[in-house]
Amino acid sequence: QQQVKQSPQSLIVQKGGISIINCAYENTAFDYFPWYQQFPGKGPALLIAIRPDVSEKKEGRFTISFNKSAKQFSLHIMDSQPGDSATYFCAASDDDKIIFGKGTRLHILP
Amino acid sequence: GAGVSQSPSNKVTEKGKDVELRCDPISGHTALYWYRQSLGQGLEFLIYFQGNSAPDKSGLPSDRFSAERTGGSVSTLTIQRTQQEDSAVYLCASSLTSGGGATDTQYFGPGTRLTVL
Repeated sequence: QQQVKQSPQSLIVQKGGISIINCAYENTAFDYFPWYQQFPGKGPALLIAIRPDVSEKKEGRFTISFNKSAKQFSLHIMDSQPGDSATYFCAASDDDKIIFGKGTRLHILP
Repeated sequence: GAGVSQSPSNKVTEKGKDVELRCDPISGHTALYWYRQSLGQGLEFLIYFQGNSAPDKSGLPSDRFSAERTGGSVSTLTIQRTQQEDSAVYLCASSLTSGGGATDTQYFGPGTRLTVL
């Protein structure tokens, strides 16, 4: 009930390509779904977030797609750049708790 | 303003020793979180403070782990009788409002890398 399953564990994408990371949750009480980006040696930082009242949110090259009925959401990075190489964590939260996925290590080939 | 700071940045200790890890949250942030990050294991929630109280200690892995927060600001995570499996990066985060993890952006510190020999 409390798990957030994230895939893939690692991802290699060519520069200019689309990077896609998927997450699934179980608890229907979750109502906030952020994505965090972490560079080596740094703490995670909020990248983009969505609430379940919308199916998509876009900020620059980053888009979250949300499927409430399937309890799935995904991060799309368009025109991926080497500077996007990082570890990405999805999360799901309600008023009481936030649960993070295990992370996806993304590497963009120059 | 300054972000979340943690000290030390690195800590090497011998098995069986006690360690203290410190977190200075962003000024005015009432909520403070501790996480453990092991290789390939994502962010493991340890404990959450609202002010000086800890309504959720459910993530502490054993009674060797404890944490306190004084003055609604600085927090210390203490690990007693460290074991090799305690080796990880310990991350602290703070958020502004009084709610739980929900809609409040968490601001993370750079972490303390703990190595237990």
